[in-house]
Amino acid sequence: AQSVAQPEDQVNVAEGNPLTVKCTYSVSGNPYLFWYVQYPNRGLQFLLKYITGDNLVKGSYGFEAEFNKSQTSFHLKKPSALVSDSALYFCAVRDKEEDSNYQLIWGAGTKLIIKP
Amino acid sequence: NAGVTQTPKFRVLKTGQSMTLLCAQDMNHEYMYWYRQDPGMGLRLIHYSVGEGTTAKGEVPDGYNVSRLKKQNFLLGLESAAPSQTSVYFCASSYFREDILFFGSGTQLSVL
Repeated sequence: AQSVAQPEDQVNVAEGNPLTVKCTYSVSGNPYLFWYVQYPNRGLQFLLKYITGDNLVKGSYGFEAEFNKSQTSFHLKKPSALVSDSALYFCAVRDKEEDSNYQLIWGAGTKLIIKP
Repeated sequence: NAGVTQTPKFRVLKTGQSMTLLCAQDMNHEYMYWYRQDPGMGLRLIHYSVGEGTTAKGEVPDGYNVSRLKKQNFLLGLESAAPSQTSVYFCASSYFREDILFFGSGTQLSVL
């Protein structure tokens, strides 16, 4: 069965420091992987995705994520955090080989708090 | 440049009442989705549509119905609301299956 784990409910980082939000996944085949961000009282917004190719994916607002097949991880990173990065972050996965399955499987979300 | 618009933004229902949530997108997307978001559980897919006139069940379809009579609109209905349906509901759309999702701003529903 497909699954996504975001092992940290909350991550606290000081402004200017690097940040990492962790995501691990389980699929039977090869994955499509996504990160979305949700600001308070807003819908989710797309950050970046991995479909194929380069394992390091760059996205919006200076975020990047590295696909690691051996560790089945897709951690979200940013070299220097901003207070405005404070939000709820969601990882999602879909199995490429599951043609009949239109469902993205979502992690529970990680609250990122950037302190000035 | 509206994107995905959901109405209403807030609603309070009594147990047993019915209501319809409307989602409209102006991006000519084929795929549309209804999700519910509950604390600590991420998003769960209720129903989805792969094109005008089509609907399909997602992960948690019980107690909900949907219709997609027009390509730009996707309606979510609750025939007899239950307290377990208290949640935040999000509509999303995408041009094709592997494409990114565009989300509406959500509907906060409370069932008393």
